[in-house]
Amino acid sequence: DVQLTQSPSSLSASIGDRVTITCRASQSINRYLHWYQQKPGKAPKLLMTDTSNLQSGVPSRFSGGGSGTHFTLTITSLQPEDFATYYCQQSYTTLRTFGQGTKVEIK
Amino acid sequence: DVQLVESGGDLVKPGGSLRLSCAASGFSFRSYTMNWVRQAPGKGLEWVASISSVSTYIYYADSVKGRFTISRDNAKDSLYLQMNRLRVEDTAFYYCARDPYGVGNNWFDSWGQGTLVTVSS
Repeated sequence: DVQLTQSPSSLSASIGDRVTITCRASQSINRYLHWYQQKPGKAPKLLMTDTSNLQSGVPSRFSGGGSGTHFTLTITSLQPEDFATYYCQQSYTTLRTFGQGTKVEIK
Repeated sequence: DVQLVESGGDLVKPGGSLRLSCAASGFSFRSYTMNWVRQAPGKGLEWVASISSVSTYIYYADSVKGRFTISRDNAKDSLYLQMNRLRVEDTAFYYCARDPYGVGNNWFDSWGQGTLVTVSS
């Protein structure tokens, strides 16, 4: 199985901060890496597909990059509604896996 | 609008069985691969199983293989998960989630609200 390791596991940031979350894969997954946002008590919401394709309706302050084994999700100017847990997910293999999550909290 | 509504979650004893259902609406259910994804309370997400649009391709996570069975009824726009030999570690919210395509393995573009399965004596 492809293991995905996110860092950090949690972070505290202020409104307006630039935030970067990293997702590392245990083997090359090309660009088959996707990102989700989850708020407490809610289902995950798809943010980005294939590393950098922003989903319709997702603000442009979200961006993604990387390839192979190293990927990033960046929020350029953190807004109150962005405080949530973020997960990466790979679809390079049939048995899809998620990272363990990164919780973004208010400083 | 795409809507996925799970049901069937309950409290069950270890070794017991449970069947989850997911009712789909707002899209052509028969055209999409469907999945179950679970999340233990306070923990991360775990993909459980997937079934292609006409049930040709079925895959399971190693943690549930041989105990869980995913199925679908395209005439009823419904997805199912039969869970046997349940373990305490199967306790989780179970989400029904849609793939964007009929075959292949991709991302999950729509999710239900989840149904809670609790395995405890």
